[in-house]
Amino acid sequence: DAGITQSPRHKVTETGTPVTLRCHQTENHRYMYWYRQDPGHGLRLIHYSYGVKDTDKGEVSDGYSVSRSKTEDFLLTLESATSSQTSVYFCAISGDGLNQPQHFGDGTRLSIL
Amino acid sequence: AQTVTQSQPEMSVQEAETVTLSCTYDTSESDYYLFWYKQPPSRQMILVIRQEAYKQQNATENRFSVNFQKAAKSFSLKISDSQLGDAAMYFCACSTSGTYKYIFGTGTRLKVLA
Repeated sequence: DAGITQSPRHKVTETGTPVTLRCHQTENHRYMYWYRQDPGHGLRLIHYSYGVKDTDKGEVSDGYSVSRSKTEDFLLTLESATSSQTSVYFCAISGDGLNQPQHFGDGTRLSIL
Repeated sequence: AQTVTQSQPEMSVQEAETVTLSCTYDTSESDYYLFWYKQPPSRQMILVIRQEAYKQQNATENRFSVNFQKAAKSFSLKISDSQLGDAAMYFCACSTSGTYKYIFGTGTRLKVLA
């Protein structure tokens, strides 16, 4: 299995607080992604990265920011969490090449009260 | 814009029978890959099968095979000899050249009946 670790696995927090989710990989892959998964919506891309300090927005990026200062770490930050950001968050990585599948972390269940 | 559509929110199949999950996609790119992922209750995302757009031959992985109809932009997944362990959410996805973004469908929940 691809070496991807998400932390924390579960988090409960209050509206208005900042939250940071971490994704750590040991595969030295160039591409890293953050998704949220909600019932009826499947997986929606929040942000992705194609190298250190190179990031771009996905389809649901409002209210989220990311940073990638090292190849192995990709951080997702909710600056001021809202209840609509309650979701399961997945990190994924992929190697170079269009045929490379994404490998996923185990997900973080985030609840914002 | 790319889209991936899974029109069956839920499907059921009797154990040992065959079931087909539908997926249609839309992309203007000529070079792309299609994937099926399985998500069991454990929440893990597991790659089931992949298909290159340039290959006419349908991909097969053991009991899993695809029916790739490029002109119709259809990419269905066939599961033969269904097992209880096949019960999961199944997602279709498409990746295209240029962006390295993957677009996912909304998923089909498969129930396997004993």
